[in-house]
Amino acid sequence: DADVTQTPRNRITKTGKRIMLECSQTKGHDRMYWYRQDPGLGLRLIYYSFDVKDINKGEISDGYSVSRQAQAKFSLSLESAIPNQTALYFCATRTGGSNTEAFFGQGTRLTVV
Amino acid sequence: GQNIDQPTEMTATEGAIVQINCTYQTSGFNGLFWYQQHAGEAPTFLSYNVLDGLEEKGRFSSFLSRSKGYSYLLLKELQMKDSASYLCASPGGGGNKLTFGTGTQLKVEL
Repeated sequence: DADVTQTPRNRITKTGKRIMLECSQTKGHDRMYWYRQDPGLGLRLIYYSFDVKDINKGEISDGYSVSRQAQAKFSLSLESAIPNQTALYFCATRTGGSNTEAFFGQGTRLTVV
Repeated sequence: GQNIDQPTEMTATEGAIVQINCTYQTSGFNGLFWYQQHAGEAPTFLSYNVLDGLEEKGRFSSFLSRSKGYSYLLLKELQMKDSASYLCASPGGGGNKLTFGTGTQLKVEL
C-alpha cells in the first residue's frame, strides 16, 4: 500500500458543486500539504499544516478550504467548484526539519464542467 | 514567496550531459531541493543542498551557491527515461513551507 493515499484519483464534477479531496498517510509525518498543478505553472501551494491545530494558507487558497481531522488525514474542499479549478491536485507529507524530503500521493485529477 | 526561477524547457541528446539551472530568493534560505516528475505521476525526491558546492549521486549531481542564489542539477549519460520535468523547491524561512518553481521540462532525444 502507498504511504500517502489520495482519494478519489479522478473526479468529474459540475460547476457549483461541493467536492472534497482526501489525503491520508501512514508515515507518521506532522506536516501535510496540498498543491495544484496546471500545465506550465508547476506545483502551487494551496494550504499546509504543521499539526492538527495548525493550518496555513499557501499562495492560492481562495476558493479552497482544508481540514486536518487527525495527524494522518488532511482534506481539501472546494465549496463551490468552478471550471478554472480543473487541475491535478497533489497531497504531500514531510517530517520535521528543513532538510526533509516531501512524499507525494499519486494525485487527484479533477475536472469541473 | 521564494521567487524560484527555472527555464521552461530544454532538449538534450541521449548520452550527453545537461545542466538545469535554478535561481531563488536568498532571504530566509533553508536549503534547496530538486525533484523529478514524469508526466502524470507524483514528484520524487532527487537531492537537497544546504551548503555550497557539488553533491554527486550517481548520474545526477546538484550544485549550490548561496551567495549567488543559484543552483543547478547536472544529469550525465542521459537516458531516454530521463525525459521528465525537474522541479526546484525551497523550504523557505522556518523550513516548513515548501515552495516549488514552475519546473523545467527536459526532453531527451536520440
